[in-house]
Parts: sequence; C-alpha cells; structure tokens
Amino acid sequence: AQKVTQAQTEISVVEKEDVTLDCVYETRDTTYYLFWYKQPPSGELVFLIRRNSFDEQNEISGRYSWNFQKSTSSFNFTITASQVVDSAVYFCALGSGNTGKLIFGQGTTLQVKP
Amino acid sequence: IAGITQAPTSQILAAGRRMTLRCTQDMRHNAMYWYRQDLGLGLRLIHYSNTAGTTGKGEVPDGYSVSRANTDDFPLTLASAVPSQTSVYFCASSDSPGHINTGELFFGEGSRLTVL
Repeated sequence: AQKVTQAQTEISVVEKEDVTLDCVYETRDTTYYLFWYKQPPSGELVFLIRRNSFDEQNEISGRYSWNFQKSTSSFNFTITASQVVDSAVYFCALGSGNTGKLIFGQGTTLQVKP
Repeated sequence: IAGITQAPTSQILAAGRRMTLRCTQDMRHNAMYWYRQDLGLGLRLIHYSNTAGTTGKGEVPDGYSVSRANTDDFPLTLASAVPSQTSVYFCASSDSPGHINTGELFFGEGSRLTVL
C-alpha cells in the first residue's frame, strides 16, 4: 500500500529561521513521483515541486530546497530564512508511475512569526 | 486562462438532500479527480476519471458518485448528504494518467460544503 507520513502537525518559527518539513513515504512501485504543495490561508493548492524516483539529486529554488533520499524513503523540504508569507499548510504527496492519482500526507501547518 | 472552475464555492446543506458539486476545466486534460480535505487527514481521493467516459473509485468513494460525459466536466454528486460529508472538496486535473505523466495535479479553488 502507498502511504505518506508527515509527522509534524504544526511548526512555529520566528522569521529568518530555517525550517525543515519532514515527509516519509511508502510504496512498492519502482517508478513513482513525489510532490510538495503549499496551501496558504486563502485555501488554494499551489504546486511547489515534483521529483522522479530515479532522480535523487537535491534541488534548490531560491529559499526552498528539497532533500530526496530513497534509502530512508524521505523527501524533506527546507525553507531557508523563513518569511511570514511562508505561513501555510504544506502537503507532501506520492504518485505512482501508472496513474495520476496522488496520495497526500496529513499536512504540516507552518506558522512564521514576525 | 481559467484552469479549473468549481461551483459552488460554499454551500450549507440539510442532511438527506442531494447535492452536485460542479467542476469544469479548460486545459483539455484527460484525467480529473475529486479530493476531500479534512483537518488532520490531508487530502483523500474520492473518485477519479482517466479519460472521458470512464471513472474509478478512490480511497473514500462511499456516498459519492461521479460522471464524465465529456473531457471538460466532472461533477460530484452526493445522493443523500450526511454530516460526515462536511468538508472542503477539491477538483483537480492532470494531462495524462499514464506512466508518461508525472502526475502533477492542477487544482480548483475548492468547494466548502457543510451538511447539517
């Protein structure tokens, strides 16, 4: 069975702190995809990143970076120098290679205080 | 470009009533999905459709039905609403359900449904 676990329900940091959101996944598929979505207070779901199972290179996009480690089935997300606008719920999701369906984690609520 | 349009945005409904949430996309995506979002549970797949004319059950299909008469529309129907169906419902689409697709979903803005 496929499963995504985001063990951190809520995280609170002060602006400019670095913060890492954890994501652990389970799948028997050899080809799969991992995603992070952001849901700001306005409610929409914003795509952040997609990672293929055969590409373990870490990725950096501005203040955002992602660490994909197949050995530990983890796909963690780090925000460097956090800002108040980063306050949102963040979802990690897993998709198999045969379908567009995604399995979502429970979400981590990040609060960045000024 | 509208992307995915959901209606209504918000609705309060009496238990036992029938309700249809509408979803329309203008991206000509083959695959469409309905998710519900509940606090502490993330998003869970209700039903999906890989292409017009076909539908499938997701994680939590009971109490819901869908149809896919054409590429653009994917309505979700609650035949007899119950309070446990109080949730935020998101419609989504992706360009292809096959293995060449990375599974990236484009979401609508959500429909908040309250069943009393």
